[in-house]
Amino acid sequence: DGGITQSPKYLFRKEGQNVTLSCEQNLNHDAMYWYRQDPGQGLRLIYYSQIVNDFQKGDIAEGYSVSREKKESFPLTVTSAQKNPTAFYLCASRRQTDTEAFFGQGTRLTVV
Amino acid sequence: GQSLEQPSEVTAVEGAIVQINCTYQTSGFYGLSWYQQHDGGAPTFLSYNALDGLEETGRFSSFLSRSDSYGYLLLQELQMKDSASYFCAVRERRDDKIIFGKGTRLHILP
Repeated sequence: DGGITQSPKYLFRKEGQNVTLSCEQNLNHDAMYWYRQDPGQGLRLIYYSQIVNDFQKGDIAEGYSVSREKKESFPLTVTSAQKNPTAFYLCASRRQTDTEAFFGQGTRLTVV
Repeated sequence: GQSLEQPSEVTAVEGAIVQINCTYQTSGFYGLSWYQQHDGGAPTFLSYNALDGLEETGRFSSFLSRSDSYGYLLLQELQMKDSASYFCAVRERRDDKIIFGKGTRLHILP
């Protein structure tokens, strides 16, 4: 089955530690996106990538980093510079010629 | 900058019709999309309007008016399973970002 997979589903991190969230898709989509969701805030764009080895900052990129070494993979690193990292993180992908975005099931990150 | 405004909550009765509005401000976009998200789940695509007018998909319809910078999602014959959050979204022409509104939480009463 084709789809987009995020792992892990739940993640706990100690303050001051970096953590990497995985996002893998086998839909052969060119574009991939990372969003952060907080209660009442909707989906806010962190980073996005339209092609391998290229990515752009979204509206709230500070404290995050990404890489796009393979078409299928777009991991997000939450660094210690992110002051309030506890949130629900969603990864999405889209075929270049389409508008519909497909989402993974999300990773809920909690800083303890 | 770009922004999409939606009501934060809407309440309706099972079997009724409800309309969720979205007003937007963006320099240029391909069209207006709608997504549904149940609690704890992933957003799923519902509909897309590239052109002005009404698009119908079963119980759901979506409307776009570019001249008014306005769109809406219409849900008919409401069912309890329609209780969810609904997001409008645009893909911008300038940089291919997909920007979402803050979402409208739909409560359905029996």
